[in-house]
Amino acid sequence: GEDVEQSLFLSVREGDSSVINCTYTDSSSTYLYWYKQEPGAGLQLLTYIFSNMDMKQDQRLTVLLNKKDKHLSLRIADTQTGDSAIYFCAEKNFGNEKLTFGTGTRLTIIP
Amino acid sequence: GAVVSQHPSRVICKSGTSVKIECRSLDFQATTMFWYRQFPKQSLMLMATSNEGSKATYEQGVEKDKFLINHASLTLSTLTVTSAHPEDSSFYICSAAGTSGVYEQYFGPGTRLTVT
Repeated sequence: GEDVEQSLFLSVREGDSSVINCTYTDSSSTYLYWYKQEPGAGLQLLTYIFSNMDMKQDQRLTVLLNKKDKHLSLRIADTQTGDSAIYFCAEKNFGNEKLTFGTGTRLTIIP
Repeated sequence: GAVVSQHPSRVICKSGTSVKIECRSLDFQATTMFWYRQFPKQSLMLMATSNEGSKATYEQGVEKDKFLINHASLTLSTLTVTSAHPEDSSFYICSAAGTSGVYEQYFGPGTRLTVT
């Protein structure tokens, strides 16, 4: 079955860039997503990328996709304290309604 | 963006009782709704997928008689945890998907269930 992996923790100084990485195994993934979860809350969709794209930029967020290596990353520029959260990547196949989530990366901001 | 609400946000119940959690899509029609369970410091585990007017599809290992799901309208799905036990204590999150061309799931804020 599908497997999505992330490193569990990342600490970044305020103002620096954060890069959160994700690897997946399903080569037929069509959509790849990044979600943010703050403590005690649901998931907020940050951005998504289609599998035929290499990069997508949305304000402070940049998503890079290496389809050959099945590697997805999320870069947050000028990281702020409000970016502290758990970040989940997720993948989905065309025609399948389900999302498969990664393990989540807890981003901690160092003042 | 689309808004999904859950009610209640937090509930404490006694062992053996049943608890109902509501999930509503507030500004769009959700053809499909999903129920997830999240354990502390863990990822989301999909429990079931429900389409309006039809029976839910449960994931392997999820007891359909224990976790009753009803998707009676395009804006409301309910999850009832029957005869709850302490091991059912968890964070339950719903999501809803509409009919837009780009497939997106919008998540509710979650419900913290504690069974004593």
